[in-house]
Amino acid sequence: DSGVTQTPKHLITATGQRVTLRCSPRSGDLSVYWYQQSLDQGLQFLIQYYNGEERAKGNILERFSAQQFPDLHSELNLSSLELGDSALYFCASSVGQGLEAGELFFGEGSRLTVL
Amino acid sequence: SQQGEEDPQALSIQEGENATMNCSYKTSINNLQWYRQNSGRGLVHLILIRSNEREKHSGRLRVTLDTSKKSSSLLITASRAADTASYFCATENTGNQFYFGTGTSLTVIP
Repeated sequence: DSGVTQTPKHLITATGQRVTLRCSPRSGDLSVYWYQQSLDQGLQFLIQYYNGEERAKGNILERFSAQQFPDLHSELNLSSLELGDSALYFCASSVGQGLEAGELFFGEGSRLTVL
Repeated sequence: SQQGEEDPQALSIQEGENATMNCSYKTSINNLQWYRQNSGRGLVHLILIRSNEREKHSGRLRVTLDTSKKSSSLLITASRAADTASYFCATENTGNQFYFGTGTSLTVIP
């Protein structure tokens, strides 16, 4: 158990809909990262937060948004969903920032299926 | 894109053999890490090598790093069926972002 919790584990929805994925980082970790993994693909970096503030954006679509709350949990909002958004969405956390953020601890992912 | 690449994409070996996978990346890094992913599960950290290190060992794992060539390799010795998984390299840049390679799918045949 990595200590990172993601909900829901599975989600099936229709095109055009909006969903929210939730992540609780490991206790004490201040950095949260979101990744998208499509079938047989590597992990695409979406966005990073540190202690409530956005640190970096990767290949995140404008239809997607995220935030990290004061209690450090994070939510990824996906709207106007398209078939191509079907993927595994991973949240990961690490201790912090600076010279090294440390290793990433991954949740088990939220599998999104858009029909 | 800052994403790296692993080579080979897929590798199939007999139990007891060694498995070597390579990773190439594009930018300056703080460190390079290797992760393992069982099918459909979350990734698990295996080993970290810093940019000023050239080689590191952990159990049956050996990692090398050549920053001049922007490449790394992961060697798993005496492989076991339980090592069957996908392996990803990840580079941490100076902004503390982590970029993952495309992964190597390893199958160890009992």
